[in-house]
Amino acid sequence: ETGVTQSPTHLIKTRGQQVTLRCSSQSGHNTVSWYQQALGQGPQFIFQYYREEENGRGNFPPRFSGLQFPNYSSELNVNALELDDSALYLCASSLRQGQETQYFGPGTRLLVL
Amino acid sequence: SQQGEEDPQALSIQEGENATMNCSYKTSINNLQWYRQNSGRGLVHLILIRSNEREKHSGRLRVTLDTSKKSSSLLITASRAADTASYFCATDADSSYKLIFGSGTRLLVRP
Repeated sequence: ETGVTQSPTHLIKTRGQQVTLRCSSQSGHNTVSWYQQALGQGPQFIFQYYREEENGRGNFPPRFSGLQFPNYSSELNVNALELDDSALYLCASSLRQGQETQYFGPGTRLLVL
Repeated sequence: SQQGEEDPQALSIQEGENATMNCSYKTSINNLQWYRQNSGRGLVHLILIRSNEREKHSGRLRVTLDTSKKSSSLLITASRAADTASYFCATDADSSYKLIFGSGTRLLVRP
């Protein structure tokens, strides 16, 4: 167990809807990253938050947005859901910005119908 | 896009045998990491090797890194059924803030 928790564990939405996924980072970790993992693929970096500011973004459209709160927990919001957004969404925390090792939560599996 | 590619995509071995997985990447790196994932759940960090290191050990794991060939290998010795999982290599590539993962090797260890 890494101490990183995510909710919900599973979610079913329909095209066009909006979804919010939540992550609580490991105690003492101030950096949170989000990844999308399609079935049979490796995780792809969405963005990272450090001390409530976005610290870098991968190749994802603006309808993917996030927040980090003062307690370093985080949210991933996806608007106008598309079928291809169906995936496992992973949150990872690290002790500080730039720390190489990331500690992953169990993920939220999103199905878009 | 994926930075690394693991080889083989799938591997099936008998318990007690050694498992070797390879990873190739495209750009210069500061470090390379290996992660394990059970049944589509969260990833667990296994080992990190820096670009100035050639070999690293952790328990039954041995990782090598060849920066001239842009490749790494993960060896699991004396495999156990509990080692059944997907294994991913990840690099820091163009920045220190994100990991770029390969597509993974699915390992099945038969009892």
